[in-house]
Amino acid sequence: DAGITQSPRHKVTETGTPVTLRCHQTENHRYMYWYRQDPGHGLRLIHYSYGVKDTDKGEVSDGYSVSRSKTEDFLLTLESATSSQTSVYFCAISESRTEQFFGPGTRLTVL
Amino acid sequence: SQQGEEDPQALSIQEGENATMNCSYKTSINNLQWYRQNSGRGLVHLILIRSNEREKHSGRLRVTLDTSKKSSSLLITASRAADTASYFCATKYSGGGADGLTFGKGTHLIIQP
Repeated sequence: DAGITQSPRHKVTETGTPVTLRCHQTENHRYMYWYRQDPGHGLRLIHYSYGVKDTDKGEVSDGYSVSRSKTEDFLLTLESATSSQTSVYFCAISESRTEQFFGPGTRLTVL
Repeated sequence: SQQGEEDPQALSIQEGENATMNCSYKTSINNLQWYRQNSGRGLVHLILIRSNEREKHSGRLRVTLDTSKKSSSLLITASRAADTASYFCATKYSGGGADGLTFGKGTHLIIQP
């Protein structure tokens, strides 16, 4: 998966708890993205980063925050998880802003 | 909002046959990409076609783009069991100046041995 890891790979949590997902890359790519994938919706962009400490919102950013303190790490935080945030989360990286390389995904279940 | 929509949603063919899936999109684009996703895995980039190109080939893949109809097609020739996967078209996200891609819901392709 092109030098991208995501952790954890699976997580079950309860409504109202904070959750942080980590994306780590070894490719030194500038751009990093978080998507969620749900049945019937395809992939939807949550947040993205265009450099260290430079982030912006995507299509479905409500309830999520991100941080990028190092080139290689992009964190996605659910401040107070809700059942509607049960999903599979994918991190992607890109150097060219065209072709993206995806991580293996994190399956999150919020009970 | 989704930019691309793939058609059909599901496709089942015999090994060795050709598979064609289509994508329609809504706004003007600079390029369109196709990705493959095997079950339980991340997406893998297959091919990118620019708005000034009408056709592009990569191995057994052939992609066409018709900007006047806002549509693209992906043809996989001589299909193999390993081609069983979901296929997505993607265009640049057009909401509020944000970066990233917008994906359709995908075509689930099953190759019967």
